[in-house]
Amino acid sequence: QKEVEQDPGPLSVPEGAIVSLNCTYSNSAFQYFMWYRQYSRKGPELLMYTYSSGNKEDGRFTAQVDKSSKYISLFIRDSQPSDSATYLCAMRKNNNDMRFGAGTRLTVKP
Amino acid sequence: SAVISQKPSRDICQRGTSLTIQCQVDSQVTMMFWYRQQPGQSLTLIATANQGSEATYESGFVIDKFPISRPNLTFSTLTVSNMSPEDSSIYLCSSKATNEKLFFGSGTQLSVL
Repeated sequence: QKEVEQDPGPLSVPEGAIVSLNCTYSNSAFQYFMWYRQYSRKGPELLMYTYSSGNKEDGRFTAQVDKSSKYISLFIRDSQPSDSATYLCAMRKNNNDMRFGAGTRLTVKP
Repeated sequence: SAVISQKPSRDICQRGTSLTIQCQVDSQVTMMFWYRQQPGQSLTLIATANQGSEATYESGFVIDKFPISRPNLTFSTLTVSNMSPEDSSIYLCSSKATNEKLFFGSGTQLSVL
């Protein structure tokens, strides 16, 4: 079993839809949770950064962490074609040891 | 956030040759990291590069294959040596900003024929 599981998609939605992206993990020692957005032929760009459980909102993006279920989510409201990218979840313990999901490829159609 | 310039952005290389990838950070950072990203797979850490000491390699990666230099606090190189088609991948450098968040360069798309 992988430490971090992420559905690779691809996921295709119409413009304006609410997008839900998810990851599960197996190691309860993870404390910091991140979402990265990666456009084609670009490096990953940090989108959301949360510590421990709870919600964090930034504009159209909301990150949720449920440590009891070992489950994290990223919601995108009013999705735009410019949101089309691969989304990577990432997490780490209280050190430099990062673990990444394989990424979910999202397409938002106009 | 840190800005990381990485080059080349892509290259096509012949089997048996070597390629050196360069990363420049716009601020001084203690640690830089080199990752490999293969299609459909999660990012895999190759090594951690500290200034003034040898890089620390992850299981499955060795210095002879992936030598790393870290001459100062803003620059690092990764060399992919004696390449084979299995080395075709995206290579990414990254560093931590002072707020502990990890930032990435734009990546190097390597194809080995």
